[in-house]
Amino acid sequence: GAVVSQHPSWVICKSGTSVKIECRSLDFQATTMFWYRQFPKQSLMLMATSNEGSKATYEQGVEKDKFLINHASLTLSTLTVTSAHPEDSSFYICSARFPGTRGTDTQYFGPGTRLTVL
Amino acid sequence: AQKVTQAQTEISVVEKEDVTLDCVYETRDTTYYLFWYKQPPSGELVFLIRRNSFDEQNEISGRYSWNFQKSTSSFNFTITASQVVDSAVYFCALRGTGRRALTFGSGTRLQVQP
Repeated sequence: GAVVSQHPSWVICKSGTSVKIECRSLDFQATTMFWYRQFPKQSLMLMATSNEGSKATYEQGVEKDKFLINHASLTLSTLTVTSAHPEDSSFYICSARFPGTRGTDTQYFGPGTRLTVL
Repeated sequence: AQKVTQAQTEISVVEKEDVTLDCVYETRDTTYYLFWYKQPPSGELVFLIRRNSFDEQNEISGRYSWNFQKSTSSFNFTITASQVVDSAVYFCALRGTGRRALTFGSGTRLQVQP
């Protein structure tokens, strides 16, 4: 299958700092990427849809000023958690849409980034 | 609105047993897509299968098989002769026609004991 990478795989930061997470599609171009958040022993919740060259679409309840998303190229999307607080500690997972014909596209997921805010 | 229900929170089996993971979905779309992903302890989601709503053929891939029943809105996943390496959380997901993101079920944690 297609390969999606995320960097860093884990990060620990102090409260109030900003953290940037990168998501790359390594062997295909992804016009659409998605950012999910997963709390321990819970399911994945979609945070936002990242579209190359345009603004991200955020899900209800997700603060766009806190979770900045930039999709500057067809292979890279970044999520910046601004002024992080302990409640932002979570597992952040990105996925990239591998295009197909007539709805046959599939999402491939990155390995995730575990963020711990002290 | 779309919804995916995985009623089984956790299943524990002994190696070589067969196990079925249930998935029931709700959608108003006439065309939709169903997925199963595996999340091992490492955290990375591994794509297992995609099924289109207009294709009700069941599928078998090695020890894995999927039973899609449109009449009951179910897309169940069976592992035959389970192995310890199958231990993971399995997610069922749905994507509707007009929406590209996935709606995930709550996941089923499978533990295969040696």
